[in-house]
Amino acid sequence: KQEVTQIPAALSVPEGENLVLNCSFTDSAIYNLQWFRQDPGKGLTSLLLIQSSQREQTSGRLNASLDKSSGRSTLYIAASQPGDSATYLCAVRPTTGGGNKLTFGTGTQLKVEL
Amino acid sequence: DTAVSQTPKYLVTQMGNDKSIKCEQNLGHDTMYWYKQDSKKFLKIMFSYNNKELIINETVPNRFSPKSPDKAHLNLHINSLELGDSAVYFCASSQGAAYGYTFGSGTRLTVV
Repeated sequence: KQEVTQIPAALSVPEGENLVLNCSFTDSAIYNLQWFRQDPGKGLTSLLLIQSSQREQTSGRLNASLDKSSGRSTLYIAASQPGDSATYLCAVRPTTGGGNKLTFGTGTQLKVEL
Repeated sequence: DTAVSQTPKYLVTQMGNDKSIKCEQNLGHDTMYWYKQDSKKFLKIMFSYNNKELIINETVPNRFSPKSPDKAHLNLHINSLELGDSAVYFCASSQGAAYGYTFGSGTRLTVV
C-alpha cells in the first residue's frame, strides 16, 4: 500500500528566503507525481506535474525534482513571498491498477512572514 | 469558464437527512473523481468514474452513491447523513494517466 509523507508538517520563514519542501513515497511504481497548493477554505491548485521519466519540472519560482528510485520529491520555492503562504500537497499516481487514483501526502503548511 | 465546478459550496444539514452534491467539468476529460478531506486535512479518494463507468469504489459506506449521467457530470448523493460525514468533498477530473488532475473548489458539508 502506497504511503506518502511530507516533511516538515509546518514551516515559517521570512520573506525572501529560499525553501525546500520534501515528499517521500513508499512504492516507487508511480506514473507521475503532482504538487498542489491549497489556500485556506479553497480548492487545490495544481503547481507542477512530473512524469516518472523526468527528473524535474520548473514553473516560475518553483522547481520540483523527482528521484523515483529513492521514493523522493522536493519542491523548491525561490525568493518566497507572503502570497506563497498555503498548504502544499504532493500526490502520486500508480503505474498499474488503482484506477489512476492519487495518493496524497500529509501536507506542509507554509507561512511566509513579512 | 470554470474548469471543474461544484455546487453547493457550503451545505449545513441535520443528521438523518439526504443531500446531493453536483459536479461538472468542461475540460472534456474522461475520468472524474470524488475525494474527501477530513478534519486533519487528509485527502482520500472515494469514487472514480471513467466515461460514466464506475472504476474505483473505495471502502465507503453504501449511504454514499455516486451517479454519472454523462462524462461531464459526477454527482454524489448521501443518505441518512451522520455527524462523521462532516468534511470537505472535492470533485476532480483527469484525462489519461499522463496528465494531472484538476480539482473543483470543494463543498464543505456540516452535519449538525
